[in-house]
Amino acid sequence: EIVLTQSPTTMAASPGEKVTLTCRASSSVSYMHWYQQRSGTSPKLWIYETSKLASGVPNRFSGSGSGTSYSLTINSMETEDAATYYCQQGSSYPFTFGSGTKLEIK
Amino acid sequence: QVQLQQSGTELVKPASSVKISCKASGYTFTSNYMHWIRQQPGNGLEWIGWIYPGNGNTKYNQKFDGKATLTADKSSSTAYMQLSSLTSEDSAVYFCARRNSGYLYYFDYWGQGVMVTVSS
Repeated sequence: EIVLTQSPTTMAASPGEKVTLTCRASSSVSYMHWYQQRSGTSPKLWIYETSKLASGVPNRFSGSGSGTSYSLTINSMETEDAATYYCQQGSSYPFTFGSGTKLEIK
Repeated sequence: QVQLQQSGTELVKPASSVKISCKASGYTFTSNYMHWIRQQPGNGLEWIGWIYPGNGNTKYNQKFDGKATLTADKSSSTAYMQLSSLTSEDSAVYFCARRNSGYLYYFDYWGQGVMVTVSS
């Protein structure tokens, strides 16, 4: 099973600050996908195929990486970006998710 | 627009079974794999398995073999997951999620989730 390790576990950012969340895989994966989950709601696809923004996602978000190291970056933090972000690999069974990064507004 | 409407909250007794549903609309139900994902209280997400409604084929995370059974009813565009021999460890929110239409495995639409509480 591929284990995805996200860091940091929790962080707080000020409005306008640049934020980078990382996801490391225990084995190489072809792509990484990211989901945003707000409290009490279901996850939403946020970034797919490593760097493609899902419909409606602001372009201050970006994704990058390859192999075992991937990241999600917010160019300029906004209040509405406060949420938990999960990475997910679909390269090998069983599909796995990271444990999430909880991003708060400072 | 694509929608996945899941059934309501369940309170069930230990050792019993529960069957939750996920009604799809806004797309051709038989054309996309449907996946199920678990989220235990305060925890992250775990992939349970998928069903392809077009032919009923399934694949499970080994961890959920014998625990979860996935079925689909083409006539009503509804996917089901039955959980058996329930224990407190099965208390969680269960999501159905549609796999995207391409060849990669990610989930483009999610149901609202069903909270299952196992308690005597």
